[in-house]
Amino acid sequence: DTAVSQTPKYLVTQMGNDKSIKCEQNLGHDTMYWYKQDSKKFLKIMFSYNNKELIINETVPNRFSPKSPDKAHLNLHINSLELGDSAVYFCASSQELWVPNYGYTFGSGTRLTVV
Amino acid sequence: AQTVTQSQPEMSVQEAETVTLSCTYDTSESDYYLFWYKQPPSRQMILVIRQEAYKQQNATENRFSVNFQKAAKSFSLKISDSQLGDAAMYFCAYYSGGGADGLTFGKGTHLIIQP
Repeated sequence: DTAVSQTPKYLVTQMGNDKSIKCEQNLGHDTMYWYKQDSKKFLKIMFSYNNKELIINETVPNRFSPKSPDKAHLNLHINSLELGDSAVYFCASSQELWVPNYGYTFGSGTRLTVV
Repeated sequence: AQTVTQSQPEMSVQEAETVTLSCTYDTSESDYYLFWYKQPPSRQMILVIRQEAYKQQNATENRFSVNFQKAAKSFSLKISDSQLGDAAMYFCAYYSGGGADGLTFGKGTHLIIQP
């Protein structure tokens, strides 16, 4: 039973399209996150979402928007995709926002390729 | 903002030998957490070990141990009796609180295990 699941695992799309990546966690965690891993493997936080409080990393373009229908889901919607958006996107969750006693649990990632 | 530096882009070790991966970080906080994550070719992010800054005792998980030097802001990972399955990217990560920073990662070290 997967703890943090993302769909799809691979996504190839054309520039200008709008796409969504879904994330679900069955751990009962309070906080969920989106990370971007670039071509050099560098991981950078995009968003954290806790009890309907969204914290946005200021470097994330507003074409990216997280949507959370409930505590177990945090989807990532991307408008007007650009070539530079190609990356691996990881969803993660933690028991609490402020004290990550057990670190984050990550999904297996979604490789997005924009052509 | 905090920074995490992994100065070794790539390391190679013979199977059954011991290898140490280095990590330094920059912070003005006194209370924080440090983590090592492993990312094998499957892309999954796996928590290897964690350390609370207020604990002087170095964390150990089976063949994995850390050397935490708080004054030097150093957090190295030692892998004993290296196995082929240890081959992966290893990321050092820092956490001091919630908000936009979340878990801050280093750029990773690619560990190669020579049979």
